[in-house]
Amino acid sequence: GAVVSQHPSWVICKSGTSVKIECRSLDFQATTMFWYRQFPKQSLMLMATSNEGSKATYEQGVEKDKFLINHASLTLSTLTVTSAHPEDSSFYICSALTGQGSYEQYFGPGTRLTVT
Amino acid sequence: AQSVAQPEDQVNVAEGNPLTVKCTYSVSGNPYLFWYVQYPNRGLQFLLKYITGDNLVKGSYGFEAEFNKSQTSFHLKKPSALVSDSALYFCAVRAAVNNAGNMLTFGGGTRLMVKP
Repeated sequence: GAVVSQHPSWVICKSGTSVKIECRSLDFQATTMFWYRQFPKQSLMLMATSNEGSKATYEQGVEKDKFLINHASLTLSTLTVTSAHPEDSSFYICSALTGQGSYEQYFGPGTRLTVT
Repeated sequence: AQSVAQPEDQVNVAEGNPLTVKCTYSVSGNPYLFWYVQYPNRGLQFLLKYITGDNLVKGSYGFEAEFNKSQTSFHLKKPSALVSDSALYFCAVRAAVNNAGNMLTFGGGTRLMVKP
């Protein structure tokens, strides 16, 4: 149980274009999803918390207009990197909580984004 | 604010020997503590958690961790290391009474290298 998928697993895009990453909870409804980014050999940095049906809460220093998050349903959250630059190249990981009062996050396999 | 420290960037151990990966934390009130493992280009896999109860927690793949409240530590241990245990390990914490949207804070990660 509690499986989270991400699509795509890797993507290469050109500078200036936008790319969308999907995060799905496959066998449960996720009222809350989290988006992290991870640079090589570094820890996970929380970018934003996404609650179904409401606007995402972004961490300090994360540009909300650049990293658009949509959590339109209880099983899907999307992260769109707009006008991508090479410095946006990173490993993006989502996670989900299984419900209200839940304390265990289940992580997706990650999406490697390379911006050329 | 909550924080996690993993003082060792890398731990080297010979196969068959016991291993310890250190973690200390800081949080307001009682902690929920987690260990995750990450293999190259993969998301995080859950190993074990401490929520309440017995201070010695047993998890996946023969790993265990001991919660020590006085030392604010949650070191990960395994009696006999395997080469396949080589990976990146993350400790994470959140407060039991959480007003921050169930946000996890991760340590910087420790790379475990098990040599044959």
